[in-house]
Amino acid sequence: AQSVTQPDIHITVSEGASLELRCNYSYGATPYLFWYVQSPGQGLQLLLKYFSGDTLVQGIKGFEAEFKRSQSSFNLRKPSVHWSDAAEYFCASGTGNQFYFGTGTSLTVIP
Amino acid sequence: EPEVTQTPSHQVTQMGQEVILRCVPISNHLYFYWYRQILGQKVEFLVSFYNNEISEKSEIFDDQFSVERPDGSNFTLKIRSTKLEDSAMYFCASRGLQGSGANVLTFGAGSRLTVL
Repeated sequence: AQSVTQPDIHITVSEGASLELRCNYSYGATPYLFWYVQSPGQGLQLLLKYFSGDTLVQGIKGFEAEFKRSQSSFNLRKPSVHWSDAAEYFCASGTGNQFYFGTGTSLTVIP
Repeated sequence: EPEVTQTPSHQVTQMGQEVILRCVPISNHLYFYWYRQILGQKVEFLVSFYNNEISEKSEIFDDQFSVERPDGSNFTLKIRSTKLEDSAMYFCASRGLQGSGANVLTFGAGSRLTVL
């Protein structure tokens, strides 16, 4: 069965610092991979997705993620974090009709 | 940009009462989903719906839950007799059959259910 693991429950970074959120997936083949962001009281907004091809994908709000098949990872990165990036981030994988979410990483940005 | 609309945004109900959560998916999407997120926990799959029938459901989606597409636009989740543990944010999502939206879930803003 598929599963998605986000090992970091909570991360705190300083504004302007770089960010990397970890995500590992478990599946025999390469699933579709996604990062969603959830601001407080809001729904889930798609940041970026990977289906195939170039393993470095660019998303909205300056985020990018890199698919590494050898590590079964799809880590999310941003070179310089803004205070407005404080939110909950969910990694997800999908194949066909089913989509699985990780437990989420809560990001706090300090001045 | 097309969006998924959910109503109500927040509902408070008494234990044992029936609740209906409504969703209007993106108009040309054909797959519909309900997910649940208990406060502070992960987003959990409840059910998927395609071609007017349930295509998959999780263990959470027991006999107390049902889904319906009563007309061409609405997609509803009914909880027949709510329990305290049903308190959660319920997200509706949809995806298309082809094109850029084919394998991407678009989520609504959620309906927060509080069971007292």
